[in-house]
Amino acid sequence: LAKTTQPISMDSYEGQEVNITCSHNNIATNDYITWYQQFPSQGPRFIIQGYKTKVTNEVASLFIPADRKSSTLSLPRVSLSDTAVYYCLVVTSGTYKYIFGTGTRLKVLA
Amino acid sequence: DAGVTQSPTHLIKTRGQQVTLRCSPKSGHDTVSWYQQALGQGPQFIFQYYEEEERQRGNFPDRFSGHQFPNYSSELNVNALLLGDSALYLCASSFGDRDYNEQFFGPGTRLTVL
Repeated sequence: LAKTTQPISMDSYEGQEVNITCSHNNIATNDYITWYQQFPSQGPRFIIQGYKTKVTNEVASLFIPADRKSSTLSLPRVSLSDTAVYYCLVVTSGTYKYIFGTGTRLKVLA
Repeated sequence: DAGVTQSPTHLIKTRGQQVTLRCSPKSGHDTVSWYQQALGQGPQFIFQYYEEEERQRGNFPDRFSGHQFPNYSSELNVNALLLGDSALYLCASSFGDRDYNEQFFGPGTRLTVL
Protein backbone atom coordinates (compact mmCIF):
# COMPACT_ATOMS: atom_id res chain seq x y z
CA LEU A 1 0.00 0.00 0.00
CA ALA A 2 1.28 3.42 -0.96
CA LYS A 3 2.25 5.63 1.95
CA THR A 4 1.28 9.30 1.75
CA THR A 5 3.06 12.36 3.09
CA GLN A 6 1.36 15.74 3.56
CA PRO A 7 2.30 18.97 5.31
CA ILE A 8 1.11 18.94 8.89
CA SER A 9 -0.50 22.35 8.75
CA MET A 10 -1.12 25.37 6.53
CA ASP A 11 -2.48 28.85 7.06
CA SER A 12 -4.27 30.92 4.45
CA TYR A 13 -6.43 34.03 4.18
CA GLU A 14 -9.99 34.26 3.01
CA GLY A 15 -10.34 34.55 -0.75
CA GLN A 16 -6.97 32.99 -1.52
CA GLU A 17 -6.38 29.81 -3.47
CA VAL A 18 -4.95 26.99 -1.35
CA ASN A 19 -2.89 24.15 -2.74
CA ILE A 20 -2.15 21.10 -0.59
CA THR A 21 0.34 18.63 -1.99
CA CYS A 22 0.47 14.96 -1.11
CA SER A 23 3.46 12.77 -1.86
CA HIS A 24 2.90 9.10 -2.71
CA ASN A 25 6.18 7.91 -4.19
CA ASN A 26 5.36 4.21 -4.37
CA ILE A 27 1.96 4.56 -5.99
CA ALA A 28 0.98 1.56 -8.11
CA THR A 29 -0.83 1.25 -11.40
CA ASN A 30 -4.10 0.24 -9.76
CA ASP A 31 -4.07 3.07 -7.21
CA TYR A 32 -6.59 5.89 -7.05
CA ILE A 33 -5.99 9.19 -5.24
CA THR A 34 -8.77 10.46 -3.02
CA TRP A 35 -9.10 13.50 -0.79
CA TYR A 36 -11.35 13.89 2.22
CA GLN A 37 -12.18 16.88 4.44
CA GLN A 38 -12.92 16.57 8.14
CA PHE A 39 -14.35 19.12 10.55
CA PRO A 40 -13.99 18.66 14.33
CA SER A 41 -16.30 16.00 15.80
CA GLN A 42 -17.57 14.98 12.36
CA GLY A 43 -16.79 12.15 9.99
CA PRO A 44 -14.64 12.85 6.94
CA ARG A 45 -16.37 14.06 3.79
CA PHE A 46 -15.32 13.08 0.28
CA ILE A 47 -13.95 15.98 -1.75
CA ILE A 48 -12.51 14.62 -4.96
CA GLN A 49 -10.87 11.59 -6.54
CA GLY A 50 -8.62 11.08 -9.52
CA TYR A 51 -6.34 8.70 -11.35
CA LYS A 52 -4.30 10.98 -13.60
CA THR A 53 -4.08 14.50 -15.05
CA LYS A 54 -6.71 16.88 -13.72
CA VAL A 55 -10.10 16.45 -12.15
CA THR A 56 -12.40 19.32 -11.23
CA ASN A 57 -15.71 19.43 -9.42
CA GLU A 58 -17.78 22.17 -7.83
CA VAL A 59 -15.56 22.51 -4.76
CA ALA A 60 -12.00 21.62 -5.76
CA SER A 61 -9.51 20.57 -8.39
CA LEU A 62 -7.06 17.71 -8.23
CA PHE A 63 -3.83 17.86 -10.20
CA ILE A 64 -1.87 14.66 -10.79
CA PRO A 65 1.40 14.78 -12.77
CA ALA A 66 2.31 12.12 -15.29
CA ASP A 67 4.45 10.09 -12.87
CA ARG A 68 1.60 10.14 -10.31
CA LYS A 69 4.07 10.30 -7.42
CA SER A 70 2.32 13.31 -5.99
CA SER A 71 -1.01 15.06 -6.21
CA THR A 72 -2.21 18.57 -5.39
CA LEU A 73 -5.61 19.48 -4.03
CA SER A 74 -6.55 23.00 -5.05
CA LEU A 75 -9.25 24.92 -3.17
CA PRO A 76 -10.22 28.14 -4.96
CA ARG A 77 -11.06 31.24 -2.93
CA VAL A 78 -11.19 29.66 0.51
CA SER A 79 -13.48 30.94 3.25
CA LEU A 80 -13.39 30.59 7.03
CA SER A 81 -15.63 27.53 6.74
CA ASP A 82 -12.88 25.69 4.84
CA THR A 83 -10.89 25.46 8.06
CA ALA A 84 -10.58 21.70 8.50
CA VAL A 85 -8.24 18.74 8.23
CA TYR A 86 -7.63 17.46 4.70
CA TYR A 87 -6.60 13.85 4.10
CA CYS A 88 -5.01 12.33 1.04
CA LEU A 89 -5.61 8.62 0.51
CA VAL A 90 -4.21 6.23 -2.03
CA VAL A 91 -6.53 3.29 -2.49
CA THR A 92 -5.26 0.20 -4.28
CA SER A 93 -8.01 -1.31 -6.35
CA GLY A 94 -8.81 -4.80 -5.15
CA THR A 95 -7.43 -4.44 -1.62
CA TYR A 96 -10.45 -2.78 0.03
CA LYS A 97 -8.05 -1.18 2.47
CA TYR A 98 -8.00 2.53 3.28
CA ILE A 99 -5.03 4.24 4.88
CA PHE A 100 -5.55 7.75 6.20
CA GLY A 101 -2.43 9.67 7.17
CA THR A 102 -2.34 12.41 9.77
CA GLY A 103 -3.72 14.92 7.28
CA THR A 104 -3.10 18.63 6.76
CA ARG A 105 -4.69 21.07 9.16
CA LEU A 106 -5.77 24.08 7.13
CA LYS A 107 -6.57 27.25 9.01
CA VAL A 108 -8.24 30.04 7.08
CA LEU A 109 -7.78 33.47 8.58
CA ALA A 110 -10.01 36.52 8.13
CA ASP B 1 -32.64 10.72 2.20
CA ALA B 2 -30.96 9.78 5.48
CA GLY B 3 -27.22 9.63 5.47
CA VAL B 4 -25.13 7.27 7.58
CA THR B 5 -26.39 7.07 11.13
CA GLN B 6 -24.57 5.74 14.17
CA SER B 7 -25.62 4.95 17.71
CA PRO B 8 -25.02 5.75 20.42
CA THR B 9 -23.47 9.20 20.10
CA HIS B 10 -21.42 8.86 23.25
CA LEU B 11 -20.55 5.94 25.46
CA ILE B 12 -18.59 5.51 28.68
CA LYS B 13 -17.27 2.09 29.67
CA THR B 14 -14.73 0.71 32.11
CA ARG B 15 -11.72 -1.43 31.36
CA GLY B 16 -12.53 -5.05 30.65
CA GLN B 17 -16.08 -4.40 29.57
CA GLN B 18 -17.54 -5.09 26.15
CA VAL B 19 -19.21 -2.60 23.84
CA THR B 20 -21.40 -2.75 20.72
CA LEU B 21 -21.66 0.15 18.31
CA ARG B 22 -24.25 0.33 15.55
CA CYS B 23 -24.35 1.78 12.08
CA SER B 24 -27.02 2.20 9.43
CA PRO B 25 -25.63 2.88 5.98
CA LYS B 26 -26.85 5.48 3.56
CA SER B 27 -29.89 4.37 1.63
CA GLY B 28 -28.87 2.18 -1.32
CA HIS B 29 -25.43 1.38 0.05
CA ASP B 30 -24.36 -2.21 0.64
CA THR B 31 -20.83 -1.83 2.02
CA VAL B 32 -19.88 -0.73 5.51
CA SER B 33 -16.42 0.11 6.83
CA TRP B 34 -15.40 0.90 10.40
CA TYR B 35 -12.63 3.22 11.54
CA GLN B 36 -11.07 4.22 14.84
CA GLN B 37 -9.92 7.79 15.22
CA ALA B 38 -7.84 8.77 18.23
CA LEU B 39 -7.62 12.43 19.16
CA GLY B 40 -5.43 14.33 16.72
CA GLN B 41 -4.92 11.35 14.45
CA GLY B 42 -6.35 10.26 11.14
CA PRO B 43 -8.97 7.51 10.98
CA GLN B 44 -7.53 4.00 11.22
CA PHE B 45 -9.24 1.32 9.13
CA ILE B 46 -10.63 -1.52 11.25
CA PHE B 47 -12.52 -3.64 8.72
CA GLN B 48 -15.04 -3.64 5.92
CA TYR B 49 -18.19 -5.68 5.45
CA TYR B 50 -19.78 -6.54 2.13
CA GLU B 51 -22.55 -9.07 1.56
CA GLU B 52 -22.52 -9.89 5.28
CA GLU B 53 -18.89 -10.98 5.17
CA GLU B 54 -15.73 -9.31 6.45
CA ARG B 55 -13.95 -8.48 3.22
CA GLN B 56 -10.85 -6.76 4.54
CA ARG B 57 -9.30 -6.05 7.90
CA GLY B 58 -6.84 -3.51 9.17
CA ASN B 59 -4.21 -4.01 11.85
CA PHE B 60 -6.55 -4.53 14.78
CA PRO B 61 -6.65 -7.42 17.28
CA ASP B 62 -9.38 -10.04 17.38
CA ARG B 63 -11.00 -8.14 20.26
CA PHE B 64 -12.52 -6.08 17.47
CA SER B 65 -15.23 -7.94 15.64
CA GLY B 66 -18.19 -7.02 13.54
CA HIS B 67 -21.28 -8.11 11.80
CA GLN B 68 -23.37 -7.02 8.86
CA PHE B 69 -27.06 -7.78 8.70
CA PRO B 70 -29.20 -8.56 5.63
CA ASN B 71 -30.44 -4.95 5.60
CA TYR B 72 -26.75 -3.85 5.34
CA SER B 73 -26.65 -2.31 8.80
CA SER B 74 -23.62 -3.22 10.85
CA GLU B 75 -22.31 -3.61 14.35
CA LEU B 76 -18.83 -3.20 15.76
CA ASN B 77 -18.04 -5.17 18.92
CA VAL B 78 -15.04 -4.56 21.10
CA ASN B 79 -14.26 -7.00 23.91
CA ALA B 80 -12.01 -6.61 26.95
CA LEU B 81 -11.84 -2.85 26.59
CA LEU B 82 -8.52 -1.10 27.19
CA LEU B 83 -7.90 2.53 28.03
CA GLY B 84 -6.33 2.87 24.58
CA ASP B 85 -9.63 1.98 22.92
CA SER B 86 -10.94 5.42 23.81
CA ALA B 87 -11.58 7.09 20.47
CA LEU B 88 -14.13 8.25 17.95
CA TYR B 89 -15.48 5.26 16.04
CA LEU B 90 -16.59 6.09 12.54
CA CYS B 91 -18.75 4.09 10.21
CA ALA B 92 -18.63 4.68 6.46
CA SER B 93 -20.84 3.27 3.76
CA SER B 94 -20.44 2.92 0.03
CA PHE B 95 -22.08 1.15 -2.86
CA GLY B 96 -20.85 -1.63 -4.99
CA ASP B 97 -17.82 -3.76 -5.35
CA ARG B 98 -15.26 -1.12 -6.30
CA ASP B 99 -13.05 -0.25 -3.35
CA TYR B 100 -12.29 3.22 -4.67
CA ASN B 101 -15.94 4.24 -4.50
CA GLU B 102 -16.73 7.32 -2.45
CA GLN B 103 -17.32 6.55 1.19
CA PHE B 104 -19.95 8.41 3.19
CA PHE B 105 -19.12 8.76 6.87
CA GLY B 106 -21.41 8.95 9.84
CA PRO B 107 -20.94 11.38 12.74
CA GLY B 108 -19.24 8.74 14.85
CA THR B 109 -19.58 7.30 18.33
CA ARG B 110 -17.31 8.76 20.99
CA LEU B 111 -16.16 5.92 23.27
CA THR B 112 -14.47 6.71 26.56
CA VAL B 113 -12.90 3.87 28.52
CA LEU B 114 -12.19 4.59 32.20
